[in-house]
Amino acid sequence: NAGVMQNPRHLVRRRGQEARLRCSPMKGHSHVYWYRQLPEEGLKFMVYLQKENIIDESGMPKERFSAEFPKEGPSILRIQQVVRGDSAAYFCASSPPPQETQYFGPGTRLLVL
Amino acid sequence: GESVGLHLPTLSVQEGDNSIINCAYSNSASDYFIWYKQESGKGPQFIIDIRSNMDKRQGQRVTVLLNKTVKHLSLQIAATQPGDSAVYFCAETPAGNMLTFGGGTRLMVKP
Repeated sequence: NAGVMQNPRHLVRRRGQEARLRCSPMKGHSHVYWYRQLPEEGLKFMVYLQKENIIDESGMPKERFSAEFPKEGPSILRIQQVVRGDSAAYFCASSPPPQETQYFGPGTRLLVL
Repeated sequence: GESVGLHLPTLSVQEGDNSIINCAYSNSASDYFIWYKQESGKGPQFIIDIRSNMDKRQGQRVTVLLNKTVKHLSLQIAATQPGDSAVYFCAETPAGNMLTFGGGTRLMVKP
């Protein structure tokens, strides 16, 4: 059973470009969570999605950030017009029902030049 | 706001010794707790969890203790090995809410 998959593992963007981060949950998991981690810090919750629904986006910046989890395909975290402060590791986690153990992917490390 | 925090940011132990990593939480509504291990360049890896109706739970070489009275969580690693070197995070989730992570403790194992 494959774990949570994320791609790309590393992403370099120039200021003003768009970044698209993908996450495929574990087989059988229908709940996806996105977190951001700055160097030497803990993980900060961004958004929680189920298929075709955003359940909780209280941790998402109000502008430039969006997330989706379509009926088919991976969950996408999109960052428009990236700035240097967006440089971080972005982790995706999945779980079967909510409030159960979340299993994390390897992360995407975004570097904005 | 309420948060999860750790007492010791860095812990250095000798190989073969036991390690204890501590975590304080402030949200009394939290009913589920998880310890994660994160190695450099990798995602957090689930180690062990515990629900609020338990005081202790044991896994392979790891034990989690929960003291609800003082809102304290600890992770004990027996016979610490070099492969245990990583950053350890505690996380809590009040019912219906998302995981809240602590700041992390770096465990360094000296050979």
